[in-house]
Amino acid sequence: GAVVSQHPSRVICKSGTSVKIECRSLDFQATTMFWYRQFPKQSLMLMATSNEGSKATYEQGVEKDKFLINHASLTLSTLTVTSAHPEDSSFYICSARWGRGGYTFGSGTRLTVV
Amino acid sequence: GDSVTQMEGPVTLSEEAFLTINCTYTATGYPSLFWYVQYPGEGLQLLLKATKADDKGSNKGFEATYRKETTSFHLEKGSVQVSDSAVYFCALYEDSNYQLIWGAGTKLIIKP
Repeated sequence: GAVVSQHPSRVICKSGTSVKIECRSLDFQATTMFWYRQFPKQSLMLMATSNEGSKATYEQGVEKDKFLINHASLTLSTLTVTSAHPEDSSFYICSARWGRGGYTFGSGTRLTVV
Repeated sequence: GDSVTQMEGPVTLSEEAFLTINCTYTATGYPSLFWYVQYPGEGLQLLLKATKADDKGSNKGFEATYRKETTSFHLEKGSVQVSDSAVYFCALYEDSNYQLIWGAGTKLIIKP
């Protein structure tokens, strides 16, 4: 149980375009989703926390207009990287809270902006 | 495919007890290994990491050694505190697969 499906696993896009990453909770309702970014061999950086039906809470230094988060339902949260640039190339991963404080993770999305 | 196996929780200890949380992995290449911690109501934080065999990661009194021969990365602490109560995740990252593989997490409860 408590599976999060994250898509796509790998995406290459042109500079200036937008990319949407989806995370779906398959067998539970995810009231809270965390979005992280990771650079190779480095730690995860929390970007934002989203709660279903409300605006996401962004961490300091994360551009809200660039990284749009939508958590419109209890089973789907999306991260849209708008007007992507090469410096946005990274590994993005979502995490969902379930049950009484359990957490489960998506498998991640490798974004390459060319 | 790659995988990470962690000991199941919850693990309940008394303050000042010795802690070990087991983590073993399977991987086709040479992954980096991480321990993350998530305190109640907060996001994940990197606790420590090791990027190659025999490396020892350490932070806040926690240690883990990357053992290629046993494919393990066990987390240890000599004397735990109540404030260490959290969920601990072991994770593996391989550049070739572009994927972060997580263990299921181990909830640690420290009683005063």
